[in-house]
Amino acid sequence: DAGVIQSPRHEVTEMGQEVTLRCKPISGHNSLFWYRQTMMRGLELLIYFNNNVPIDDSGMPEDRFSAKMPNASFSTLKIQPSEPRDSAVYFCASTSGTSGRPANTGELFFGEGSRLTVL
Amino acid sequence: QKEVEQDPGPLSVPEGAIVSLNCTYSNSAFQYFMWYRQYSRKGPELLMYTYSSGNKEDGRFTAQVDKSSKYISLFIRDSQPSDSATYLCASGGGYQKVTFGTGTKLQVIP
Repeated sequence: DAGVIQSPRHEVTEMGQEVTLRCKPISGHNSLFWYRQTMMRGLELLIYFNNNVPIDDSGMPEDRFSAKMPNASFSTLKIQPSEPRDSAVYFCASTSGTSGRPANTGELFFGEGSRLTVL
Repeated sequence: QKEVEQDPGPLSVPEGAIVSLNCTYSNSAFQYFMWYRQYSRKGPELLMYTYSSGNKEDGRFTAQVDKSSKYISLFIRDSQPSDSATYLCASGGGYQKVTFGTGTKLQVIP
């Protein structure tokens, strides 16, 4: 079974440009998470979807960040305009509630991440 | 103060050593405690999962939770070079979203 698929794996862009990161969750998983990882702050939850509906976006740093999940098999995280401080590795993760546990119990399956560098 | 605190290391040990990795947390509502392993340039993967206080063993790995002191531990016996990775502790559950520590980088030297 394919895991969580993220694209692009690497992105180098200039300040002010729009960045779009993409994620395909594991088939059958009904919860999707976007995380950002930096050396200083570790893994930070940006936004969490359940059944394609945003549940908690309190971690989105500012209005420059937006996320969508138009269907169960695709999500995007967009940064517009990008800034150098957005440089980080962005991870998408998915999980299923069918195990009987709620989605926030921590059994997350992560993609390999998108490494973003904003110059 | 972060809800989950973890010493970043790095921690370097010889092959065969017993490794102890530790975290503290501050949110009393946390019910689930996890350890994730992250290899370089890869996403984290779930290693151990425990509910409430107590110990859980899986092969060379033992996870320990002490809710009275809000302390989470991971022990690795007979450490191997393949165990070299960053280990992230995480807590969550109930209405609390999962919160990760910043990770401890472990190097096991052959």
